[in-house]
Amino acid sequence: NAGVTQTPKFQVLKTGQSMTLQCAQDMNHNSMYWYRQDPGMGLRLIYYSASEGTTDKGEVPNGYNVSRLNKREFSLRLESAAPSQTSVYFCASSEHPPPYEQYFGPGTRLTVT
Amino acid sequence: EDQVTQSPEALRLQEGESSSLNCSYTVSGLRGLFWYRQDPGKGPEFLFTLYSAGEEKEKERLKATLTKKESFLHITAPKPEDSATYLCAVQGIKAAGNKLTFGGGTRVLVKP
Repeated sequence: NAGVTQTPKFQVLKTGQSMTLQCAQDMNHNSMYWYRQDPGMGLRLIYYSASEGTTDKGEVPNGYNVSRLNKREFSLRLESAAPSQTSVYFCASSEHPPPYEQYFGPGTRLTVT
Repeated sequence: EDQVTQSPEALRLQEGESSSLNCSYTVSGLRGLFWYRQDPGKGPEFLFTLYSAGEEKEKERLKATLTKKESFLHITAPKPEDSATYLCAVQGIKAAGNKLTFGGGTRVLVKP
């Protein structure tokens, strides 16, 4: 089992460019999440998908969109990147219902110049 | 709103020097408290889930305990490979989407 995989590992964008971060899990989990991690701010939830076909906003959703493509895949899209979106992005998945632990991917380090 | 505070922010230990990390939390009904380990450049790695006060869990040199207001992660006779950032998170009963609220972490450095 690969667990949670993310692509790409690193990305540099110019302000205004768009990109999609990909996430897939092979644990047959129902719920998937996107977090960002910034120094001094900890991990903050951007969007989540409690089950296939549903998505909801987390704490910091502005500037992002998500798609739950199927049970395995959950993508995060930046339509017009801004320097404030420079961060490390983590995808996670968990069983449902709670309180099941979340399993994290290796992260995508994004720099917006 | 759920809140998590971890202390200290950083901890330097000699190999074999046992210590404890603190995680204080406020939550309107606890579903679970989670401990993770994060190595530089990697994603958080799940360690433990604690559900109710008085519960304890162990894994190798790590032992997590839980009270109604805080959790402790005890590191017994640490080795250099225990060096990492340790994250604490809570899930409250009102957490939309099973959201986890994370603390800022404790960076642990174990010197040989």
